[in-house]
Formats: sequence, C-alpha cells, structure tokens
Amino acid sequence: EVQLVESGGGLIQPGGSLRLSCAASGFTVSTTYMTWVRQAPGKGLEWVSVIHSGGTTLYADSVKGRFTISRDNSKNTLFLQMNSLRAEDTAIYYCASPRSNFWGQGTLVTVSS
Amino acid sequence: QAVVTQEPSLTVSPGGTVTLTCGSSTGAVSSDLFPNWFQQKPGQAPRTLIYDTSNKHSWTPARFSGSLLGGKAALTLSGAQPDDEADYYCLLSYTGGEVFGGGTKLTVL
Repeated sequence: EVQLVESGGGLIQPGGSLRLSCAASGFTVSTTYMTWVRQAPGKGLEWVSVIHSGGTTLYADSVKGRFTISRDNSKNTLFLQMNSLRAEDTAIYYCASPRSNFWGQGTLVTVSS
Repeated sequence: QAVVTQEPSLTVSPGGTVTLTCGSSTGAVSSDLFPNWFQQKPGQAPRTLIYDTSNKHSWTPARFSGSLLGGKAALTLSGAQPDDEADYYCLLSYTGGEVFGGGTKLTVL
C-alpha cells in the first residue's frame, strides 16, 4: 500500500525556517517526480516545487531562493527546507506524486508573530 | 510563470453533463503540457482524476473523461452524481515548472 506521511509543520514566526519531511512507503521516491503543493486557508491549490527522478529541481516564483526541495534515497523521504518564511506562506503543505495519484494528508504551516 | 484559467463555478443537474475547461496564458493547451485534473472535497487531500490529458486512474469513475477542446484542456462529467460535488483543479506542466488553475467549484443541483 502506498503511503505518504508529512511532518514538520507548525507555528513559526516571520523570517523563521522550517523543514518539512515526507516519508514514503510502497514505492520509491527516487524513481518518479515528487512535488510539494500547498493550499492557503480557503484558497486553491498552489504548486510549490518538484524534484525529478534525475534530480532536477524546479520552484514556483513565489518561493524561489527561499525554499529547497531534496530527497534522501536511503530513507525514501522527501524534504522541503523553507527559509525566510512570510505570512503568505501559511498553508497546508502536501507532498505528492500527482501523476501517480500518491498524496499525503498534508501538514499545516502557520507563519505568524 | 504562466497563468492557468478555469471557470470559478459551474452547476450541473443530477444525471446531466458538464465540461470544465483549463486554459493557458501562453496559448493553446496541447498534450505537451501534460494536463492533469484533480478532485478535492472539503477537508480532504486532492485526488488525481486524469493525468496526461485523458488517462484515468483505477479509482476514476467512468463518467469522467479528459480531452483537448478548443485550445483548452477539458474535463467532462457525463451523468453527474451528488457525490461529484467538489472543487476541481487542473495542472499544466511548463518548462520552468507547473501551474495549477484557480479551480472550479462544481455544484450538483
């Protein structure tokens, strides 16, 4: 059975950093492209970042230079390092392999003083 | 980055047919943008309905289909059920990254 379990969310002050993790089981994250998607309260889905099987990474303009996507193949885990956080980064963050219909349950990040 | 447009809301009668569309600010949507369609119900994570324009997952009800229509990606629901009431999002893949549409709130009434 495929599972994606996110962790690492929480309340953080503006300017702070958080690292989200997404532990995968039932498939290998390094063999497909893995994505972070976020959803602000009451808003639509926003694509954040992707890491391809070959290691190429891409970012939305809204997070470029502040967020870094990575993976640990030995732990079959995806990460999102988020720096210089802003109030507008407040959202539920989902890890996913959308094409394969693999989605986590999401982790809430709240950026507030 | 590109802007992806969807109808903000649509209403369909039970048993009826409705088509949701997904346009791109860069021009006509083609299979090269690998359109994906997602369904999201309140309080739940999204689920992938359609990938790569028209491919379905094992869970995707047969009443949903994906296509290209008039320069846009399209999701057609034939024989709407009350359970289909949800938000629907499309996702297009560009060279520099991917972009979601703003979503369509579908009401079955």
